[in-house]
Amino acid sequence: QSVLTQPPSASGTPGQRVTMSCSGSSSNIGSNYVYWYQQLPGTAPKLLIYRNNQRPSGVPDRFSGSKSGTSASLAISGLRSEDEADYYCATWDDSLSGRVFGGGTKLTVL
Amino acid sequence: EVQLVESGGGLVQPGGSLRLSCAASGFTFSSYEMNWVRQAPGKGLEWVSYISSGGSSIHYADSVKGRFTISRDNAKNSLYLQMNSLRAEDTAVYYCAAAWGYWGQGTLVTVSS
Repeated sequence: QSVLTQPPSASGTPGQRVTMSCSGSSSNIGSNYVYWYQQLPGTAPKLLIYRNNQRPSGVPDRFSGSKSGTSASLAISGLRSEDEADYYCATWDDSLSGRVFGGGTKLTVL
Repeated sequence: EVQLVESGGGLVQPGGSLRLSCAASGFTFSSYEMNWVRQAPGKGLEWVSYISSGGSSIHYADSVKGRFTISRDNAKNSLYLQMNSLRAEDTAVYYCAAAWGYWGQGTLVTVSS
């Protein structure tokens, strides 16, 4: 059981906007930055969002992150087939003194 | 170009040991905190261990505490993970990660008799 809670699946059609959530607690999301990763099959995770809502260079502005209290969310607009992947949220947990991940959301583009 | 290249994975019997290495290039390794993160087959990501840029601060997940040891050699731009008393549930792809943004391609560790 992951410390951060993510829905196991999400789906959308090309061009749609989808959002996925990440729920935590005061010791993790509530007091630390949230990061989002995209993992394509058979590849290493790739950083999509850092410090709650910042995009690394090269990440399209179709991807956006937000945080409120002890929850965070990732939004993908203008959905494309190549966005089909697993998405993970992550942060630091002050109580555990360690990095924590969500269980991941598998995004299907219909 | 930032590169992190893990090595040292393989098949090991339960109770055995392995030492993973991660060779870093393309960035100032000594300035970055480093982590090991693993992913069991078909499962999600699990953080394993953290070491600060200078090596003075170290943390472990409860699942590996007392069995795994993280270390680094900033002169060699290298990160290590010594894994002892390995169990079947340690079977996973092990990634080294620099801070939050850079990841290696992973090395597979299989614990099986």
